[in-house]
Amino acid sequence: GENVEQHPSTLSVQEGDSAVIKCTYSDSASNYFPWYKQELGKRPQLIIDIRSNVGEKKDQRIAVTLNKTAKHFSLHITETQPEDSAVYFCAATPSINNNDMRFGAGTRLTVKP
Amino acid sequence: DTEVTQTPKHLVMGMTNKKSLKCEQHMGHRAMYWYKQKAKKPPELMFVYSYEKLSINESVPSRFSPECPNSSLLNLHLHALQPEDSALYLCASRGQGTETQYFGPGTRLLVL
Repeated sequence: GENVEQHPSTLSVQEGDSAVIKCTYSDSASNYFPWYKQELGKRPQLIIDIRSNVGEKKDQRIAVTLNKTAKHFSLHITETQPEDSAVYFCAATPSINNNDMRFGAGTRLTVKP
Repeated sequence: DTEVTQTPKHLVMGMTNKKSLKCEQHMGHRAMYWYKQKAKKPPELMFVYSYEKLSINESVPSRFSPECPNSSLLNLHLHALQPEDSALYLCASRGQGTETQYFGPGTRLLVL
C-alpha cells in the first residue's frame, strides 16, 4: 500500500518568513495530493491540493509543487502569519482506489510574532 | 448545507457501555469515512462506505461496528471499548467524481 513520509515534524519560523514542508510517497499510481491544516481541537481542513497532471499550483500565499519522477511534493507558505500556526498533513490517494487516502505524519508549524 | 456534522462533540464512556457516534452530510456525497486520530498523530482510516455499502474495513476490532442507514448518515456503534480506544473520531465524506474528502469536527471519546 501507499506510504507517505513527511518532513520536518516540527518547524518554527518568524512571522513574515517562508515555510516549506516536504512529503514523499511510495506508490507511483498515486495521483491526488491534498494538504490539510489542523488547528488544535479542530477538524482537518483542506487548504490546497494538486493532481498528478500538474506540476505546481498556487493560491495566494500557499503553493504546492509536485515532482512525479522523484515522487515528492511540497507545501510552500510565504509571508507567514501567526494564524498559520497549526499541524499540516500531506496525503496521497492512489488512482486505483480513491477511497484509500494515506496521510503523512504531520508537521507542527509555529509562526512567532 | 456544505458541511459534515458529527454528534456528540464529546463522549465519556465506561468499558461496559454501549454508545453510538453519528455523522451526517447533506452534500449528496456517496462515500463516507470513519477515521481515528490519536494525539499528535495523523488520522487513521477505519472504515469506508461507498453507496451505503462497506467497501473498506481496515482490520478494525469488532467492538467498533459501523452502519450506513442511508446516503446522508453514518453511525459508529461502540461496545466494550478499551482505554486505548480514547481518541478523536473523525467522519469524512467525498463527492462523486472528486477525490477531496471533507471532514466533520470529530467526536472526542474518552474510555474510562
